[in-house]
Amino acid sequence: NAGVTQTPKFRILKIGQSMTLQCAQDMNHNYMYWYRQDPGMGLKLIYYSVGAGITDKGEVPNGYNVSRSTTEDFPLRLELAAPSQTSVYFCASVNDRFPNQPQHFGDGTRLSIL
Amino acid sequence: KQEVTQIPAALSVPEGENLVLNCSFTDSAIYNLQWFRQDPGKGLTSLLLIQSSQREQTSGRLNASLDKSSGRSTLYIAASQPGDSATYLCAVNQGAQKLVFGQGTRLTINP
Repeated sequence: NAGVTQTPKFRILKIGQSMTLQCAQDMNHNYMYWYRQDPGMGLKLIYYSVGAGITDKGEVPNGYNVSRSTTEDFPLRLELAAPSQTSVYFCASVNDRFPNQPQHFGDGTRLSIL
Repeated sequence: KQEVTQIPAALSVPEGENLVLNCSFTDSAIYNLQWFRQDPGKGLTSLLLIQSSQREQTSGRLNASLDKSSGRSTLYIAASQPGDSATYLCAVNQGAQKLVFGQGTRLTINP
């Protein structure tokens, strides 16, 4: 059982480039999340989805876009990379059909914008 | 706006000691509070989840308490081991499972 899989693990981008961070889960979880973690800080919510076709903004959505066409996949898109988007990005999922379940996290994508 | 604070930011103790990590939050309207462990270069692993109606949860050498009225939670680690060295994060669930995280406590257990 793979859990939450994020690709790539590392990436270096130039300012103004675009890329998509991939996230897939195989646990049939209905809720999925994208967080970013800056050095020495906790995680901040970028976007989340409560099911296929439904997404909503979190605390820090500017500069990002998401889509959720299937239950399994929740990609995060950076359109015009900026140095402020240098961070570690974590994807998470949870089965909200059962109460009080902890979120499951991927191992993260470490992104540098130069 | 919910704010979550963890004190101390870093803690170093000798092996075998019992220790307490602290977490405070500003808005008591939470569904649950979760403690996570993060190893360097890795994602987060759930340790304990305390429902808003509960006072504490235990798993092995770990015990987490919740005082919702005062906006505080503690994570107690008994008989610490070098393998417990990691960053510990607390997070509150504000609804729709949206988590607000503290900045973490970096714990080092010295052999």
